[in-house]
Amino acid sequence: GQQLNQSPQSMFIQEGEDVSMNCTSSSIFNTWLWYKQDPGEGPVLLIALYKAGELTSNGRLTAQFGITRKDSFLNISASIPSDVGIYFCAGPSGTYKYIFGTGTRLKVLA
Amino acid sequence: EPEVTQTPSHQVTQMGQEVILRCVPISNHLYFYWYRQILGQKVEFLVSFYNNEISEKSEIFDDQFSVERPDGSNFTLKIRSTKLEDSAMYFCASSRGLAGGYTGELFFGEGSRLTVL
Repeated sequence: GQQLNQSPQSMFIQEGEDVSMNCTSSSIFNTWLWYKQDPGEGPVLLIALYKAGELTSNGRLTAQFGITRKDSFLNISASIPSDVGIYFCAGPSGTYKYIFGTGTRLKVLA
Repeated sequence: EPEVTQTPSHQVTQMGQEVILRCVPISNHLYFYWYRQILGQKVEFLVSFYNNEISEKSEIFDDQFSVERPDGSNFTLKIRSTKLEDSAMYFCASSRGLAGGYTGELFFGEGSRLTVL
């Protein structure tokens, strides 16, 4: 079945650094959603993308819908300790289902 | 801001017992979902529900699972006879639906942690 692979799997960064992560699919998507999950909590929607090439920002976060429609990218600028968590991409698989990526675990060193 | 609420936050049960997890989706949303997450793993789709019926379900969602929208606000997941491997976080989500048949963005609850002993 469809899978979404995220890289890197995990990363340690220094506070203040910029972060980049990506999500790739074997098939074309018409929507990309990016979520952040804190320990013991539910995923929180960060950014939604609906058009190939679209670049959308939410504060220090910027996400892009890849031109091939098989990938998406999330960047975090000037990371802070509260950026710690797991970042998931998600895309529609059929009409009534979203599948989630494997996740990127971010750890920020103060 | 409207949110999805789930109860209980944590339930401990014995293997073979029935469990019902409850969710109140965002009020004007039309699509409802259950996902689960085994500790340290990714978020897995279980089932979607629209117009009072199951729209899609995964291989995980076997005969031991059922969903119901008993009234205008609640959305429940029942596990008939729990197994050890059902231990996980269960997340409810809802979306409002968009023009063109898109389900729209999913909004998640805080989850119900199920521990099967």
